[in-house]
Amino acid sequence: GAGVSQSPSNKVTEKGKDVELRCDPISGHTALYWYRQSLGQGLEFLIYFQGNSAPDKSGLPSDRFSAERTGGSVSTLTIQRTQQEDSAVYLCASSAGTGITGELFFGEGSRLTVL
Amino acid sequence: DQQVKQNSPSLSVQEGRISILNCDYTNSMFDYFLWYKKYPAEGPTFLISISSIKDKNEDGRFTVFLNKSAKHLSLHIVPSQPGDSAVYFCAASEGNTPLVFGKGTRLSVIA
Repeated sequence: GAGVSQSPSNKVTEKGKDVELRCDPISGHTALYWYRQSLGQGLEFLIYFQGNSAPDKSGLPSDRFSAERTGGSVSTLTIQRTQQEDSAVYLCASSAGTGITGELFFGEGSRLTVL
Repeated sequence: DQQVKQNSPSLSVQEGRISILNCDYTNSMFDYFLWYKKYPAEGPTFLISISSIKDKNEDGRFTVFLNKSAKHLSLHIVPSQPGDSAVYFCAASEGNTPLVFGKGTRLSVIA
């Protein structure tokens, strides 16, 4: 596709359930990022993948959060035992550069609501 | 502790006038700054950037100014148009570290 694709666009789940969010980056982009935006907050960095390097997980808020990127392309963000404070829009972005100072291309986000 | 601060959550401007969106940062090691624009239900889109070696970058109606000594940058939109109504995020990075974003400023351009 032409842009970054995320699914699902909306997810409502019950507290304690696990959720998986998927990101399909722009073809050929080596870098992939996950951010989240909680209500009234800015974009909070979660995790960053660059090529075959070990991911930068420094932004993950707890060990309930994990992400993987298979084959250097599609990425899945998994949240285990969801809590109400996990409710947010989860945004995926990709970029072509090896550094982070390049332009990020964002998907439309996955809105997660934990009841 | 917020490293990138956008202290104005919202701004209203008359169509045709100048919009000035402000951003302050605390990390003096930031060397690259970007502005993103976000419409409802869409992801942020890149608008304009500036390297720390410059103090101004212009692209059409959009100009970003950087004052390193004050750790302040601003985005000027002139003339403002109704289609500019969106949330604007300021972002900064230090070398190859992830972009750090502010909380955003909602701009409303009134016709």
